[in-house]
Amino acid sequence: NAGVTQTPKFQVLKTGQSMTLQCAQDMNHNSMYWYRQDPGMGLRLIYYSASEGTTDKGEVPDGYNVSRLKKQNFLLGLESAAPSQTSVYFCASTRGGGQPQHFGDGTRLSIL
Amino acid sequence: DQQVKQNSPSLSVQEGRISILNCDYTNSMFDYFLWYKKYPAEGPTFLISISSIKDKNEDGRFTVFLNKSAKHLSLHIVPSQPGDSAVYFCACKTQGGSEKLVFGKGTKLTVNP
Repeated sequence: NAGVTQTPKFQVLKTGQSMTLQCAQDMNHNSMYWYRQDPGMGLRLIYYSASEGTTDKGEVPDGYNVSRLKKQNFLLGLESAAPSQTSVYFCASTRGGGQPQHFGDGTRLSIL
Repeated sequence: DQQVKQNSPSLSVQEGRISILNCDYTNSMFDYFLWYKKYPAEGPTFLISISSIKDKNEDGRFTVFLNKSAKHLSLHIVPSQPGDSAVYFCACKTQGGSEKLVFGKGTKLTVNP
């Protein structure tokens, strides 16, 4: 079982570039989430999707966009990367109903 | 304002002893609480949870205690093992709806052989 798979694992961007972080889950989970983790901080929610085709803002959505066209995929886009977006990004999914979220291993993003 | 606080950034214990990790929350709407464990370069993994209708939940060496009146929960690990060395995150949510988690900043546990 792959669980939650994030690609790429590492990425270096220049300020102003755009890119898409990909997340795929094979557990048929309804809900998916994108978090960022910065040094000395917990995980902060960027965006989430309660079901295929729906998305909502989390705590820190500015500078990001998301797409959930298929149930198994949740994409996080950076339109114009900024150094403040240097972080480790985690994707998670859950079946809901009180079940815990399952996390991928993260994408380490550096913006120069 | 932080809704979930883990006031100890780090904790060091000897192998075989008890580890106690603490978490405080401010939002009275939270009714489900989880602990996640994170090793370097990996994603968080679910460890144990507790609903607000209980005050204790046990799973092997891990026990979570909830004091709703104090808005406080703790994770006990007995006996602690070197493999338990990791960062532990407390997370809280309101059941139903979007199932969004609010995380604390984490406590780095080091278990010394």
